[in-house]
Amino acid sequence: DTAVSQTPKYLVTQMGNDKSIKCEQNLGHDTMYWYKQDSKKFLKIMFSYNNKELIINETVPNRFSPKSPDKAHLNLHINSLELGDSAVYFCASSWDRHGEKLFFGSGTQLSVL
Amino acid sequence: SQQGEEDPQALSIQEGENATMNCSYKTSINNLQWYRQNSGRGLVHLILIRSNEREKHSGRLRVTLDTSKKSSSLLITASRAADTASYFCATDRRNFGNEKLTFGTGTRLTIIP
Repeated sequence: DTAVSQTPKYLVTQMGNDKSIKCEQNLGHDTMYWYKQDSKKFLKIMFSYNNKELIINETVPNRFSPKSPDKAHLNLHINSLELGDSAVYFCASSWDRHGEKLFFGSGTQLSVL
Repeated sequence: SQQGEEDPQALSIQEGENATMNCSYKTSINNLQWYRQNSGRGLVHLILIRSNEREKHSGRLRVTLDTSKKSSSLLITASRAADTASYFCATDRRNFGNEKLTFGTGTRLTIIP
């Protein structure tokens, strides 16, 4: 069983489209995250949710909207996609908001054409 | 700005040799973590060292932390081809409230069989 699973693994889309990435964890963790990894492998946090409550919101454009229907799911919806959104997006989870030991999904490679 | 920066950016060694990677950071931390990322995969947690610890071991991994110099090192002994991956350090922010992990830029390690 995959601990943190995200879909799709690859997403190719046109500029201006709206897309969603789904993430689910079956570890019973309270906290979930979205990270963005750019082409230089730099990994930056975007959002963090603890028990469905938003606790970290980095300087991310409003076009990005996370949604956590329950503590096992954290989805990422992106409106009006831009070329600069092309990156690999990772979902992760941890036992609590202290973030000691994150478990990562395998990533979603988003390519905006 | 990036909290952690790894050095070197890339490292190639022969199988069986030891590999050492360094991480420097800027602000006070509660703990520092090391993660491994295989190509096309998510990050995997390797080891966590707390700010009041100086050295920690896990199998072939040895991590040191020098809070006075704001630096850490990861030593992999008796390297194997399977150790080929990118290695990232991650630091949290002391008294940040909701702990936020900030990742470094990574060291790309290649083990030559």
